[in-house]
Amino acid sequence: GAVVSQHPSWVICKSGTSVKIECRSLDFQATTMFWYRQFPKQSLMLMATSNEGSKATYEQGVEKDKFLINHASLTLSTLTVTSAHPEDSSFYICSARDQEVENEQFFGPGTRLTVL
Amino acid sequence: GQNIDQPTEMTATEGAIVQINCTYQTSGFNGLFWYQQHAGEAPTFLSYNVLDGLEEKGRFSSFLSRSKGYSYLLLKELQMKDSASYLCAVREHGRGNKLSFGAGTTVTVRA
Repeated sequence: GAVVSQHPSWVICKSGTSVKIECRSLDFQATTMFWYRQFPKQSLMLMATSNEGSKATYEQGVEKDKFLINHASLTLSTLTVTSAHPEDSSFYICSARDQEVENEQFFGPGTRLTVL
Repeated sequence: GQNIDQPTEMTATEGAIVQINCTYQTSGFNGLFWYQQHAGEAPTFLSYNVLDGLEEKGRFSSFLSRSKGYSYLLLKELQMKDSASYLCAVREHGRGNKLSFGAGTTVTVRA
């Protein structure tokens, strides 16, 4: 199957700093990428949908100024958590949809963010 | 909107069969997915149903009834490595073909 990578796999930062997470589709082109957040023992909650070359679409309740998303190319999307606070500590997962095979979404390995 | 319900936990014995049910309410149904997620890892795709009936893939099968808003994932010949969370997800036309996930069912396989 297709491969999606995320970097970093884990990060610890101080409150008030910003953290950037990269999501790459390694062997396919992804016109659409999705960013999810997952708290312990809960399901994945969609944060935003990222389309290459256009502004991201955010889900209700997700602050667009706090979670900056950039989808600059068909293989890369980034999520920047600005002015991070301890409540932003979570597992952030991206997924990408192959523009040729729309029935599947491929997930990255996730990024564990801990804000102290 | 969509409401996706699945049991929270299930326990079964190695070698046995377990069936995980998922019910959903949605408009513009455009497919149901099952994912497996081990603790601390990202979900991996297991199956996809868009038409009624059974899809079989090795030890895993998934069934869909659109009229009943119901699906199940059947895991046969359970192995210890099958201990994981299983997520039911629904895709809707009206939401830009985005996936909405259920809370997941944690399956524990005992020796």
